Amino acid sequence: AAGVIQSPRHLIKEKRETATLKCYPIPRHDTVYWYQQGPGQDPQFLISFYEKMQSDKGSIPDRFSAQQFSDYHSELNMSSLELGDSALYFCASSLGQPRLTEAFFGQGTRLTVV
Amino acid sequence: SQQGEEDPQALSIQEGENATMNCSYKTSINNLQWYRQNSGRGLVHLILIRSNEREKHSGRLRVTLDTSKKSSSLLITASRAADTASYFCATDGDAGGTSYGKLTFGQGTILTVHP
Repeated sequence: AAGVIQSPRHLIKEKRETATLKCYPIPRHDTVYWYQQGPGQDPQFLISFYEKMQSDKGSIPDRFSAQQFSDYHSELNMSSLELGDSALYFCASSLGQPRLTEAFFGQGTRLTVV
Repeated sequence: SQQGEEDPQALSIQEGENATMNCSYKTSINNLQWYRQNSGRGLVHLILIRSNEREKHSGRLRVTLDTSKKSSSLLITASRAADTASYFCATDGDAGGTSYGKLTFGQGTILTVHP
C-alpha cells in the first residue's frame, strides 16, 4: 500500500539559507500534518492542513510557512535557517472526515543546518 | 506539562516478558493513537483507540483507554528483541471539536528488550 512520501530524506543547509520540504500524502487522505523532532525529543506539532486550508497551528516559527496544494501534497518552507532548526521533520496524513482517522507518518526529512 | 505524558520513560526487560507502558492526557479526546519509532527513523502507527472504546487488540498489542482517568496503556506481550524502540502515545483535538489537525505526542517510553 502507498505510504506517505517525504523528500528529500536528508538535507544539509547553511545558516540563513532556505529549505523546502515536500510531503505527498497517502492517496485520498485530505489532512496533512507537519512535525519537528529534535534529538531525544518527542515530535512537536508545527502545522496542519485539511482540504488545502490550514486547520491548526502549533509551535511553528514565523520563519516557516507551509501550504497544501490542489493535489493535496504539502510543502514546508523554512527561511533564515538557524542551527537550532536541525531536526527530523515528519509529515503525516490522515482522513479528516467524518472523524479523524489514523495518522500515518512518512520516513522524515533529516535537516542539518551548519 | 504536555498532553500525552508517558511512563515509564525507560523500560528494560528480557525477551518473552510483557511490557506495559502508560500514557496520561489532560483534555477530552476523540481518539488516542500509539506509535513506535526506531532510533532516528519514522513513526510507525500501531493502533488507534476511540474515546468510546475501552480495549483494543492487535496481534501482541493490547491497548486500554480509561477516559475517566484520562489514561491509556499499551501492553506488548511475549516481547522480542525486535520490539526495542521508543513508543509514543498521541491524542487528537477536543472531543466534538472542529480541530482535525493536531496530534499531540507524549515524551515516549524507550523500551529495550534484551535477547
